[in-house]
Amino acid sequence: GESVGLHLPTLSVQEGDNSIINCAYSNSASDYFIWYKQESGKGPQFIIDIRSNMDKRQGQRVTVLLNKTVKHLSLQIAATQPGDSAVYFCAENSKEYGNKLVFGAGTILRVKS
Amino acid sequence: NAGVTQTPKFRVLKTGQSMTLLCAQDMNHEYMYWYRQDPGMGLRLIHYSVGEGTTAKGEVPDGYNVSRLKKQNFLLGLESAAPSQTSVYFCASTAFDQKRVFGRENTEAFFGQGTRLTVV
Repeated sequence: GESVGLHLPTLSVQEGDNSIINCAYSNSASDYFIWYKQESGKGPQFIIDIRSNMDKRQGQRVTVLLNKTVKHLSLQIAATQPGDSAVYFCAENSKEYGNKLVFGAGTILRVKS
Repeated sequence: NAGVTQTPKFRVLKTGQSMTLLCAQDMNHEYMYWYRQDPGMGLRLIHYSVGEGTTAKGEVPDGYNVSRLKKQNFLLGLESAAPSQTSVYFCASTAFDQKRVFGRENTEAFFGQGTRLTVV
């Protein structure tokens, strides 16, 4: 799911499969990254975060990978469930630039049963 | 456990009217943010604050003003509303530097439930 413009890209996966959502961030000075999940009509909810001194962090069914060389972040969801259907956003923060938390464009995840 | 509270939840304005959106957090967070989200798009940063009495411009600040007179409150003002400002507005707060421990409790940004604003 790469950003392709103003409209959110969509990733469709079968229930039980693994999902990989990608995000390209813009600021090479960013030192902290967060993945959020947003369900319809609700505010974003924290999923997992990672600092720039790490390249991988695991949570419950989720893994975030960070590749600073190409400024790329990914969210892996294992055994995707219908409840995972939502819009996923990555956010980057740079202490050097005043902790201005900036969001990426987002990806719609649709889980097919 | 209120977290981040936004008021109002819904509002319809006529072009040229003014209004203020209130964001209140009870977590003693230093950092607060205002975002707008348009249909099918991501969140865009309008203004943010790194502490009481401070404000800074984000990605799309034009047409908005903010104030952070008290640490727990971050106000977003529209002086003369325009149809282009029809959007869902989200407020967020976070601790960031307050503690050096890496962990969700200290660095996660908490969001309000949003304010749906329509300008006609």
